[in-house]
Amino acid sequence: QKEVEQNSGPLSVPEGAIASLNCTYSDRGSQSFFWYRQYSGKSPELIMSIYSNGDKEDGRFTAQLNKASQYVSLLIRDSQPSDSATYLCALRSSNYQLIWGAGTKLIIKP
Amino acid sequence: EPEVTQTPSHQVTQMGQEVILRCVPISNHLYFYWYRQILGQKVEFLVSFYNNEISEKSEIFDDQFSVERPDGSNFTLKIRSTKLEDSAMYFCASSVLRDSLQDGYTFGSGTRLTVV
Repeated sequence: QKEVEQNSGPLSVPEGAIASLNCTYSDRGSQSFFWYRQYSGKSPELIMSIYSNGDKEDGRFTAQLNKASQYVSLLIRDSQPSDSATYLCALRSSNYQLIWGAGTKLIIKP
Repeated sequence: EPEVTQTPSHQVTQMGQEVILRCVPISNHLYFYWYRQILGQKVEFLVSFYNNEISEKSEIFDDQFSVERPDGSNFTLKIRSTKLEDSAMYFCASSVLRDSLQDGYTFGSGTRLTVV
């Protein structure tokens, strides 16, 4: 069973601080990993993708991948109230489906 | 920016009725998908579609479900004889490739299906 695990939260972070979101996965054959943001009642919105070990930065967001330890993380610097949402970790399985975690609810406190 | 368009945004139907959910994928995308999300639960894969046929489907996608691309733009999901447990948000997505390492899928805004 291919699984993606995330802490459901809520994770509460003060405005301006760094939010750190983590995700572990079971399928060692997975190659592509994605972070989506989902506001309540809305569709997932792609924030970042990563497929190589190490860090990938895009603006205030940094994705980190460690294939040996089978985890993916997302750092959000200078957190803003508008970053409050549920963050979904997903991987692309060997048959090209996206396998999703249950999401971490992030709350940025002004 | 190109969008995946879904209609209707909300559909209420009686148990046992048939519903058709509609999607217009991004025009140069070749792969199309349906996912669903029951309230408070994970997003789940239903089906992928390429070159006018199903390429992958999940265990959820049983005989009550079907997909088709009736013309050059629309991609539909039909649910025959809806059940209460079919109530969920249904998301359509599309992509240029299905195996790009870095490109995720573009999702539509979703159809909230409520079966009563």
